[in-house]
Amino acid sequence: DTGVSQDPRHKITKRGQNVTFRCDPISEHNRLYWYRQTLGQGPEFLTYFQNEAQLEKSRLLSDRFSAERPKGSFSTLEIQRTEQGDSAMYLCASSPIDRSNYGYTFGSGTRLTVV
Amino acid sequence: GENVEQHPSTLSVQEGDSAVIKCTYSDSASNYFPWYKQELGKGPQLIIDIRSNVGEKKDQRIAVTLNKTAKHFSLHITETQPEDSAVYFCAASQGSARQLTFGSGTQLTVLP
Repeated sequence: DTGVSQDPRHKITKRGQNVTFRCDPISEHNRLYWYRQTLGQGPEFLTYFQNEAQLEKSRLLSDRFSAERPKGSFSTLEIQRTEQGDSAMYLCASSPIDRSNYGYTFGSGTRLTVV
Repeated sequence: GENVEQHPSTLSVQEGDSAVIKCTYSDSASNYFPWYKQELGKGPQLIIDIRSNVGEKKDQRIAVTLNKTAKHFSLHITETQPEDSAVYFCAASQGSARQLTFGSGTQLTVLP
């Protein structure tokens, strides 16, 4: 296992279209996170899964956003009716449930451009 | 909620010099403070972290210090090299690793 994989790396879509991103975490990691990063800013938390359960959602995650992790392995993030303000880098990260190790491993992200 | 402020936003140093980046946090319940390095086109990479029961931690040329009373923590990079050039982010959380609050980043440039 070489790390957290995200697909696609880049996505250009027209305003109003739906898009879906995929994240494959490190296989032994139970926790999976989605963050959004706009240019010149730090990542902002969107949502968090422990196994298949979605345990936390940010207020940033509007009704147009939905995330799933159906079997506790890979996760998808869908954005419906995209808006120009959704243009950002969407980062996925994973971590083990380990009291001695809190560190996340991030993927390389999916860069979304809404035109 | 937590608020993390990071300074400076840009930092240029000569190769071999030291670099220091500082962050402050607002939530006294935060007890985990990681630092990430992000290179162009890549996701953030964890380079060092510290928990609130420790005041300082070192890993080769990188060190982090934490002052819980003042609610600030700093990243120190010694003997900087051109490959240290990147954006560095500090972050804070309440230790469960469920949610990190990031600073706005520091663009470090190491001049050869």
